[in-house]
Amino acid sequence: DAGITQSPRYKITETGRQVTLMCHQTWSHSYMFWYRQDLGHGLRLIYYSAAADITDKGEVPDGYVVSRSKTENFPLTLESATRSQTSVYFCASTGTGGGYEQYFGPGTRLTVT
Amino acid sequence: AQSVTQPDIHITVSEGASLELRCNYSYGATPYLFWYVQSPGQGLQLLLKYFSGDTLVQGIKGFEAEFKRSQSSFNLRKPSVHWSDAAEYFCAVALNYGGSQGNLIFGKGTKLSVKP
Repeated sequence: DAGITQSPRYKITETGRQVTLMCHQTWSHSYMFWYRQDLGHGLRLIYYSAAADITDKGEVPDGYVVSRSKTENFPLTLESATRSQTSVYFCASTGTGGGYEQYFGPGTRLTVT
Repeated sequence: AQSVTQPDIHITVSEGASLELRCNYSYGATPYLFWYVQSPGQGLQLLLKYFSGDTLVQGIKGFEAEFKRSQSSFNLRKPSVHWSDAAEYFCAVALNYGGSQGNLIFGKGTKLSVKP
């Protein structure tokens, strides 16, 4: 009954380092999403995926890479972290059938120093 | 372009008082609308959703929202606020066309504080 989990919950990294945030869901949902949440900006979509091996850019994709080799996992990689990527990152998922309501993970707080 | 506006950044109400949080959307087609709540340090939890039909929808935790097409609004209400309702509330609209089907556009949120 885990639902959707994210790891790590907290991460501090240095500028220029590569870091990967993990997202795992147990519902076999087709769609998965990555958002970042920043004060004054609300939630902004980074990338989304409609199914395994199908990904697409959202509103703020620059500096991020995603993959989806398995339905249940949707990792987000910052290839060379910058201070502007300090944020709280949320993963979400939703099934097919027009439901559209998304279910969110607990978030990862990332600090880039 | 599609957008969601939450005009109030921060609202403070007394415990037991009624609450209304405003949400206005800009979307050409029939909107799918949502309200989410986020407690400090937590993810977002779905409170309620509107897809079609009855314009007054009931959600969890005693919340309701009314869809008004003529005003492009989807305001969230609660008759009597509890201290545990202090949180941030997000309104969202779903894109229901083409390759972006299912993507949500969020408002910037309204932070609710509750006075004892």
